[in-house]
Amino acid sequence: KAGVTQTPRYLIKTRGQQVTLSCSPISGHRSVSWYQQTPGQGLQFLFEYFSETQRNKGNFPGRFSGRQFSNSRSEMNVSTLELGDSALYLCASSLGTPAVDTQYFGPGTRLTVL
Amino acid sequence: QQPVQSPQAVILREGEDAVINCSSSKALYSVHWYRQKHGEAPVFLMILLKGGEQKGHDKISASFNEKKQQSSLYLTASQLSYSGTYFCGGPLWENTDKLIFGTGTRLQVFP
Repeated sequence: KAGVTQTPRYLIKTRGQQVTLSCSPISGHRSVSWYQQTPGQGLQFLFEYFSETQRNKGNFPGRFSGRQFSNSRSEMNVSTLELGDSALYLCASSLGTPAVDTQYFGPGTRLTVL
Repeated sequence: QQPVQSPQAVILREGEDAVINCSSSKALYSVHWYRQKHGEAPVFLMILLKGGEQKGHDKISASFNEKKQQSSLYLTASQLSYSGTYFCGGPLWENTDKLIFGTGTRLQVFP
């Protein structure tokens, strides 16, 4: 079974631009969660989608948005990029609720904002 | 609001034991442990679903004291492959679709 894939793996953008990251979950998994990982803050929850519905959102500004498609693939978008958005963005998929199901993480997208 | 992990870093020789602690000020529905090697994705270790539960996998085990909202990860007879950053986390009782994680404990095992 293929694992979670994320594209692109690396991105370099400048302040003010916007970016779209993509995540393909493990086949059959309906829940996709997104996290921001930085050296000082660790893993910070962004949002979680299940069957195309956002069930939860973390404490991030409205510049961060996401969506999930009918095939469970998910995208996240960051508009008006700031220097502080530089981070590793990880997505994770699980069969059902991440509360009790194992989350499988993708390799991440390393975003650098200049 | 993030769980607090201690210690922040551990250095071990192969064969030594280590304990990583995780404490949450808010009630967690379950406790998840992950290990992340440098440049790689976090990898699932175990989930503890209820207080008092203990689990083990190979020489890595964990416990969850629901009353104290504390979990501990025990690594015995450490191997070089145990090196990495360990994260604990879990969903809050009030919101089980959102996982919060600690800032991690960096473990290095030397020969």
